[in-house]
Amino acid sequence: KAGVTQTPRYLIKTRGQQVTLSCSPISGHRSVSWYQQTPGQGLQFLFEYFSETQRNKGNFPGRFSGRQFSNSRSEMNVSTLELGDSALYLCASSLNGAGEGETQYFGPGTRLLVL
Amino acid sequence: AQSVTQLGSHVSVSEGALVLLRCNYSSSVPPYLFWYVQYPNQGLQLLLKYTSAATLVKGINGFEAEFKKSETSFHLTKPSAHMSDAAEYFCAVSPMGQNFVFGPGTRLSVLP
Repeated sequence: KAGVTQTPRYLIKTRGQQVTLSCSPISGHRSVSWYQQTPGQGLQFLFEYFSETQRNKGNFPGRFSGRQFSNSRSEMNVSTLELGDSALYLCASSLNGAGEGETQYFGPGTRLLVL
Repeated sequence: AQSVTQLGSHVSVSEGALVLLRCNYSSSVPPYLFWYVQYPNQGLQLLLKYTSAATLVKGINGFEAEFKKSETSFHLTKPSAHMSDAAEYFCAVSPMGQNFVFGPGTRLSVLP
């Protein structure tokens, strides 16, 4: 099976712009979670989507949003970018959700740099 | 709220030496526990997972971890370090109905 794929791998934006990141989960997986990884804050949970519905949400401002399509592919959007949004954004997929004790399989991440 | 602590943000061992990476979690109810490894410029790869079937869990690349409820610990070990083990290691807990909570990570360096 193909693994989790994320596009693009690298992105450079300027403050105030918006960005959309894409994640394709492993075939058959219905849960997609997003994480932000920074040197200072480590890995922080953004949100989880399951069957096109947001099921869990981390403690991030409303500028961070996401959605999931009927084929389980997911996108996350960050509006009005700030310098502090520079990070590695990781997507992870699982069959029914991490809260069920399932393994999450991670993609390679999208590295976002905000100038 | 669940939390995970990993003692030592950076651990150095010599090639061939024992690797011990520490993980403690805060929960009165044992959650699901995971160890992931991250190589530079890559995502996270699962090393092993505890699901209450056995307290000693064997993973990939010769790693294993022991769940100790009395100590709320899930330390990761490998008998003999290899240069290719140099990476960052994350312990994570998965409380029922909630998403993963990751520890801060431990960077492992392997010295020749």
